[in-house]
Amino acid sequence: DQQVKQNSPSLSVQEGRISILNCDYTNSMFDYFLWYKKYPAEGPTFLISISSIKDKNEDGRFTVFLNKSAKHLSLHIVPSQPGDSAVYFCAASTGTASKLTFGTGTRLQVTL
Amino acid sequence: DTGVSQDPRHKITKRGQNVTFRCDPISEHNRLYWYRQTLGQGPEFLTYFQNEAQLEKSRLLSDRFSAERPKGSFSTLEIQRTEQGDSAMYLCASSLGGQVETQYFGPGTRLLVL
Repeated sequence: DQQVKQNSPSLSVQEGRISILNCDYTNSMFDYFLWYKKYPAEGPTFLISISSIKDKNEDGRFTVFLNKSAKHLSLHIVPSQPGDSAVYFCAASTGTASKLTFGTGTRLQVTL
Repeated sequence: DTGVSQDPRHKITKRGQNVTFRCDPISEHNRLYWYRQTLGQGPEFLTYFQNEAQLEKSRLLSDRFSAERPKGSFSTLEIQRTEQGDSAMYLCASSLGGQVETQYFGPGTRLLVL
């Protein structure tokens, strides 16, 4: 049972444009959501998070939006840069359980 | 560098052998997690510790797997009688805990069982 889904395995965006990565979840108990970025042969690097009491969180070029009624979140990267090319994972947790449940990832390629 | 470190980074072993991995968390972090990632999948939770206490284990953690965190600092993950299906990236993460926490990951140990 895939509780966190990233339905787009890959995304290609031109440098300078907006990248939008999507994530859906099924478990309504999830109340904390995170995005991680992963380069090959490295561990995931934390990017940005959002608590379920918010619907938006910004950090520089990265913004995460949460739509609780739709059980959907998205990561916006503006402007996209070639160094953003990596696999992006959405993850979720509940307040009483510390483990993260990850999606399968979206490979972002930012082209020149 | 005060990030999470893991050793070794790569391990090749023959089926049936035992392997042990080590994780050193960020020094002030009291929670430590182990995840496993296979090709095309996201990391999957294996187990976690709060200080030295192992608080949760996934059903993915068969009897051949054991994890310890003896003094609440570094942790080891041992796989006995390895099988080819154990080939994966083993990731360690640590956090400060609390109601809302962020886990920080190490570089992982890539295991290949021949």
